[in-house]
Amino acid sequence: EVQLVESGGGLVKPGGSLRLSCAASGFTFSNAWMSWVRQAPGKGPEWVGRIKSKTDGGTTDYAAPVKGRFTMSRDDSKNTVYLQMNSLKTEDTAVYYCTAVSGFRFQHWGQGTLVTVSS
Amino acid sequence: EIVLTQSPGTLSLSPGERATLSCRASQSVSSTFLAWYQQKPGQPPRLLMYGASSRATGIPDRFSGSGSGTDFTLTISRLEPEDFAVYYCQQYGSSSFTFGPGTKVDIK
Repeated sequence: EVQLVESGGGLVKPGGSLRLSCAASGFTFSNAWMSWVRQAPGKGPEWVGRIKSKTDGGTTDYAAPVKGRFTMSRDDSKNTVYLQMNSLKTEDTAVYYCTAVSGFRFQHWGQGTLVTVSS
Repeated sequence: EIVLTQSPGTLSLSPGERATLSCRASQSVSSTFLAWYQQKPGQPPRLLMYGASSRATGIPDRFSGSGSGTDFTLTISRLEPEDFAVYYCQQYGSSSFTFGPGTKVDIK
């Protein structure tokens, strides 16, 4: 069974930083492309970023609102993907979901971790 | 960036009725890269359809998808109580993903 478990969310002040982690199991993580998708309260989902598998180059892409502030990385030895979030803004407040990407769709989702950016 | 528009915003129907949800793209989308999700309160979205018309694993056949180019449709042939939820379309293009704003299907 595929499991994605996010951690690291919490309350942070504007301008602060936070690192989210996502531990994966139940599939061959090293072959997987992974993404983060966020959802602000009462809003629809918003894609944040994607990291390809190392065999596919390990490159990353980001949505325009987070480009230059957020960085995705992966540790295949730990079956874990990370999201480093810097220069956080109030509009980054959302539930952040870790997803496994398959064929350009979000095949599997974690339960999410809440990030609140507030003074 | 391709913008997705969904209509209607809310669909009020009774169990057993047919639901037709629309997703329109601001420019042409490959059917290969069009997916639909269902979300219930307090849960993450769940993949329903991919490639515009293929059902994800475990999705019942009362769900069907169609469309091409800029117009796509999700149809639920006969609504079951568990189908009342919010539905989102999603596309991939130019190294980015976008979601539509969603259609809420609620009980009339």
